[in-house]
Amino acid sequence: SQELEQSPQSLIVQEGKNLTINCTSSKTLYGLYWYKQKYGEGLIFLMMLQKGGEEKSHEKITAKLDEKKQQSSLHITASQPSHAGIYLCGADGQGGKLIFGQGTELSVKP
Amino acid sequence: DAGVIQSPRHEVTEMGQEVTLRCKPISGHNSLFWYRQTMMRGLELLIYFNNNVPIDDSGMPEDRFSAKMPNASFSTLKIQPSEPRDSAVYFCASSLRSSWTDTQYFGPGTRLTVL
Repeated sequence: SQELEQSPQSLIVQEGKNLTINCTSSKTLYGLYWYKQKYGEGLIFLMMLQKGGEEKSHEKITAKLDEKKQQSSLHITASQPSHAGIYLCGADGQGGKLIFGQGTELSVKP
Repeated sequence: DAGVIQSPRHEVTEMGQEVTLRCKPISGHNSLFWYRQTMMRGLELLIYFNNNVPIDDSGMPEDRFSAKMPNASFSTLKIQPSEPRDSAVYFCASSLRSSWTDTQYFGPGTRLTVL
């Protein structure tokens, strides 16, 4: 079965610093989703990537899918306290079911 | 809107007992999801419903787990009999549509401890 591995598991950065979170799949990705989970606020969809080499940006967050479609990265530029939370990558697993990585907990120190 | 409502917030039970978790989705949302979150396994999708119909229950770990959605405003997740390895935080979430690109609004979760 397909598995998603995220790294790092947790991250503490100073406000204003850049950071990158990685998501590696054991199989080819046909749909890769990035979410942010904030306690009490739910799972917020950030971006979806489907094509090898695809890159999308929203405000200060950029997500990329590598050419082989087995790894994705999420990059945050000039981090802010509002970026804090758990970032999850998700993928279309067998039968269209959504599977998740273990999550990366991000803390941003003001 | 009050958001997704879950009850109870905390549940401590003994192995072998039946546990029922309850969820009220946001009014007007057509999709409902049950998740389990643990430190070891992260967030796992157990089952989801679209317009009250179960679409995919392949994430339900065993026959001990069952979920129902008798109407658009109520869903239950039942574990019978419960085991210590079922200890986790169980989240219910709802979204307007069934697309994975739709934001899912989570309830506060039920923290289940099985002794």
